[in-house]
Amino acid sequence: KAGVTQTPRYLIKTRGQQVTLSCSPISGHRSVSWYQQTPGQGLQFLFEYFSETQRNKGNFPGRFSGRQFSNSRSEMNVSTLELGDSALYLCASSESGYEQYFGPGTRLTVT
Amino acid sequence: QKEVEQNSGPLSVPEGAIASLNCTYSDRGSQSFFWYRQYSGKSPELIMSIYSNGDKEDGRFTAQLNKASQYVSLLIRDSQPSDSATYLCAVNPNDMRFGAGTRLTVKP
Repeated sequence: KAGVTQTPRYLIKTRGQQVTLSCSPISGHRSVSWYQQTPGQGLQFLFEYFSETQRNKGNFPGRFSGRQFSNSRSEMNVSTLELGDSALYLCASSESGYEQYFGPGTRLTVT
Repeated sequence: QKEVEQNSGPLSVPEGAIASLNCTYSDRGSQSFFWYRQYSGKSPELIMSIYSNGDKEDGRFTAQLNKASQYVSLLIRDSQPSDSATYLCAVNPNDMRFGAGTRLTVKP
């Protein structure tokens, strides 16, 4: 099976802009989770979608949002970007939400 | 207290030795435990999952879980230079929580 794919791989944005990241899970996986990874905070959970419904949400401001489509593909949106949003954003897919398989990530730089 | 704590690194072992990585967690309701390996510049890769108390072996890797002590560990036998990476402990009481990771270096 093909692995998890994320687009774009790299992104440079300016403060105040918004950004949308995309994730295509492994075929047959209905759970998609999003994480933010930074050197200072490590891997932090953003949210999880399962069959188009948000099942869990981490402790991030409302500027971070997501959705999942009927084909299990997911998008994550960050509005009003701040310098502190610069990070590696990782998507992980799972059949059930437990054993998760990560995509290569999107490296976001906010200037 | 952090939700998932890992022994501070970096950890350095000679090739062929056993590397021992430790993790404690705070949520007693946690039922699922995972070890991920992350090479520099790459995304995390799932290497072990464990759900029941005791040991689980997969090749050179052994995961150990003690729910009463809220402790999970990973042993890597016959360590190889290719095992050099950051190892992340993850616990899933409801959503996945990761430790900060332990950087392992295996010296030839």
